[in-house]
Parts: sequence; structure tokens; C-alpha cells
Amino acid sequence: DTGVSQNPRHKITKRGQNVTFRCDPISEHNRLYWYRQTLGQGPEFLTYFQNEAQLEKSRLLSDRFSAERPKGSFSTLEIQRTEQGDSAMYLCASSPGTPRWEQYFGPGTRLTVT
Amino acid sequence: GIQVEQSPPDLILQEGANSTLRCNFSDSVNNLQWFHQNPWGQLINLFYIPSGTKQNGRLSATTVATERYSLLYISSSQTTDSGVYFCAVERTQGGSEKLVFGKGTKLTVNP
Repeated sequence: DTGVSQNPRHKITKRGQNVTFRCDPISEHNRLYWYRQTLGQGPEFLTYFQNEAQLEKSRLLSDRFSAERPKGSFSTLEIQRTEQGDSAMYLCASSPGTPRWEQYFGPGTRLTVT
Repeated sequence: GIQVEQSPPDLILQEGANSTLRCNFSDSVNNLQWFHQNPWGQLINLFYIPSGTKQNGRLSATTVATERYSLLYISSSQTTDSGVYFCAVERTQGGSEKLVFGKGTKLTVNP
């Protein structure tokens, strides 16, 4: 069990550029979650997958955001036409699902939009 | 949606002191987790405790689901305990699978 991994750990981009983040969950965890955390706040839910199906999306996930989990393994989160307000820590978590709901978080990707 | 309130928002201790952090939530839950966020932003799992009491070394936690609160106890605090502690819950009803986090308690342990 190597834990949840995320890449890159840090990303600095200019406003208007597209960025993509990757998350590798704990193997055999069928649930994968994305959260966003801004300074001084707790993480906020963005979306989650059960295997390859995206089952819930937050209102925070605007049309510029898209997430995929092909083949039910790793996941990618893409932000198009980045804005300064997108600057945040993007956290990925995975869980085994029923009957155990505990979520395990990766180290996060810190995005800075200049 | 479900509300999660943590108290106190800030806590400053001397090394060796004990502390209690509280988490109140507004609806029934099937998941409650306590996390410690380190200075690099990593969320470290402390407890998965939708009900009952658990202990792990100097840390222990109790969740009283019927009264909708959870407590995290830290005994003999060390400087390495500093950081932000989050409580997060997942509702039982409504099919929503997400964790909802409180705003956290920022703990500072001074030597």
C-alpha cells in the first residue's frame, strides 16, 4: 500500500493557460474524490468517481473544469483557461467503498495562477 | 447541506499540556474522520470514528452520534502536534458520498 499519489506537487501557470493534474489512488480502491482547499479553509468537495463513473459533481466545478477516470484507475483533473481564483491546493482522496467509507488523501497539487 | 462546526478555532498550548477539540454536526452521519494537516498541506488520517471511542497513543477520539458531536483528545502535547486539525463527516442520507469539512482548529504547541 503506497498511498495516494499526486502529480505535479506544485504548478505555476499564467492566467488563461490550461493545466492538468493526475491522481493515482490506493490500488483496489474503487472510489476516488477531488477536493479543493483555499488558504484558511477546510477542503471542499469537487467531484467523485466510483470506478470509471463520475457520480457527483459540485457546483464549484464550473464548465472550465473536467475530470476523468479512464479504466477506473488513475484520474485527471483539467482546468481550462485558468483564472487567478483557481489558485488553491487540489487534493485527491480514495476509499475502498462499502462497507468502509474512510477516505485517504494524497499530498495535493498546489496551483498558483499568475 | 450538513453543517460542521469545530471549536476552538485556535488553541495555544505549552508542551506537555492536554487539550480537547470539539466537532458538532447537524445531521446523522455514516462517516466521521479526524485529520491533522501538516505544514506541507498533507492530510494525515487520525481516526475513522462514526461512533464510539478509539485510542492511538497520545490521541483518542469519541463520537456520540445520537448527540451529533465528536471530541478529539490530545494528551502530553508535543511541538510536532502543531498544525490544523480537521473534522469531516459524510451524511447517511441523500446518497451524497462527499466529506464535508469543518473550518479546523489551529493548534500551536510551544516548547
